[in-house]
Amino acid sequence: AQTVTQSQPEMSVQEAETVTLSCTYDTSESDYYLFWYKQPPSRQMILVIRQEAYKQQNATENRFSVNFQKAAKSFSLKISDSQLGDAAMYFCAYYPGTYKYIFGTGTRLKVLA
Amino acid sequence: KAGVTQTPRYLIKTRGQQVTLSCSPISGHRSVSWYQQTPGQGLQFLFEYFSETQRNKGNFPGRFSGRQFSNSRSEMNVSTLELGDSALYLCASSFGQGGAPLHFGNGTRLTVT
Repeated sequence: AQTVTQSQPEMSVQEAETVTLSCTYDTSESDYYLFWYKQPPSRQMILVIRQEAYKQQNATENRFSVNFQKAAKSFSLKISDSQLGDAAMYFCAYYPGTYKYIFGTGTRLKVLA
Repeated sequence: KAGVTQTPRYLIKTRGQQVTLSCSPISGHRSVSWYQQTPGQGLQFLFEYFSETQRNKGNFPGRFSGRQFSNSRSEMNVSTLELGDSALYLCASSFGQGGAPLHFGNGTRLTVT
């Protein structure tokens, strides 16, 4: 079964520091896509970053970067210089090409001033 | 460009009733997906439509149904509501191919009493 696991239900980080959110997935596919989404209290899910599995290079979007380890089926999100506005639920998602995105259960990130 | 619009934002229904939720995708997006979000469960896939055709369906009972119209707008219907159907229902649109990222609406919060 294709599953996505986020083992950290909640994380805290001091403002301006760096935090890493973990995500592992189970798949037998070789070509797929991985995503991180952010859901602030407003409820709207926002795309943070997207990774294509066939690309070795880790995706980066400003202060957000990923560590994609294909063999280990690991896809962690690193947030640098954390800001108060980064506080949200973060969801890891996997897309194998079957018109169905599979989401993890989420990690709640708290940013401490 | 207008985002994904979901109506209504909040809904309170009684057990046994039925409900219809609406979703208008981003202009140009032909794929619409529906997800059920509950605390601790993450996002559970309901179904995906592309050009009025259902391309995939999640593991939900037949009480959950959906459709897509020629203008890409989509509706989902839940009949014979149960208390366990209380959740945030999220609609997402995309171009529908190549691992295109999902763009989410603000969701409909359904409470069944």
